[in-house]
Amino acid sequence: DAEITQSPRHKITETGRQVTLACHQTWNHNNMFWYRQDLGHGLRLIHYSYGVQDTNKGEVSDGYSVSRSNTEDLPLTLESAASSQTSVYFCASSESYRGLNEQFFGPGTRLTVL
Amino acid sequence: SQKIEQNSEALNIQEGKTATLTCNYTNYSPAYLQWYRQDPGRGPVFLLLIRENEKEKRKERLKVTFDTTLKQSLFHITASQPADSATYLCALPGYSSASKIIFGSGTRLSIRP
Repeated sequence: DAEITQSPRHKITETGRQVTLACHQTWNHNNMFWYRQDLGHGLRLIHYSYGVQDTNKGEVSDGYSVSRSNTEDLPLTLESAASSQTSVYFCASSESYRGLNEQFFGPGTRLTVL
Repeated sequence: SQKIEQNSEALNIQEGKTATLTCNYTNYSPAYLQWYRQDPGRGPVFLLLIRENEKEKRKERLKVTFDTTLKQSLFHITASQPADSATYLCALPGYSSASKIIFGSGTRLSIRP
């Protein structure tokens, strides 16, 4: 069965370190998204991609970067982790440019920055 | 900018009753609206999509309405069960790009036996 996976599921890091969160989907979807979820803010879009070599900034992109070298993967990098980036991170994918189809979410990565 | 409002207070109802959750939005006329379910420690799961020209949509015990005049969607779960306890998120396509989805903060629903 097709799926979307994230790794690691839990990560503790220190302020200033570079961290990369992995996202891998086997749906063969063109669209991939990274969100963070915090109490009181819901899901907020960090970066997204509509295909290989395409990346776009979301509403909370400062301090984060992504790259899309193939259809299956969209890794999220925190260049220099900050305590404000402690959150739960979700990766999602969808198949349609028009977005009418649903988004499929991964299980999430809980990141703690000390 | 577009804004989505869901009741941030948890909704607690008795098993067997109908649960009704509200999603209001402003500054936008979306072509469709989606509802997702999220269980603790898991990613959201898509439930239903309703288009702007559809007044109502049903799926088993779920019913969604979409009032584009009131800029409101109602999400109903009939004959509710404790297994329906979860957080429910409404979502709209982004104003600048329909492929982006903007999520509400969700309403937590608890069904007591």
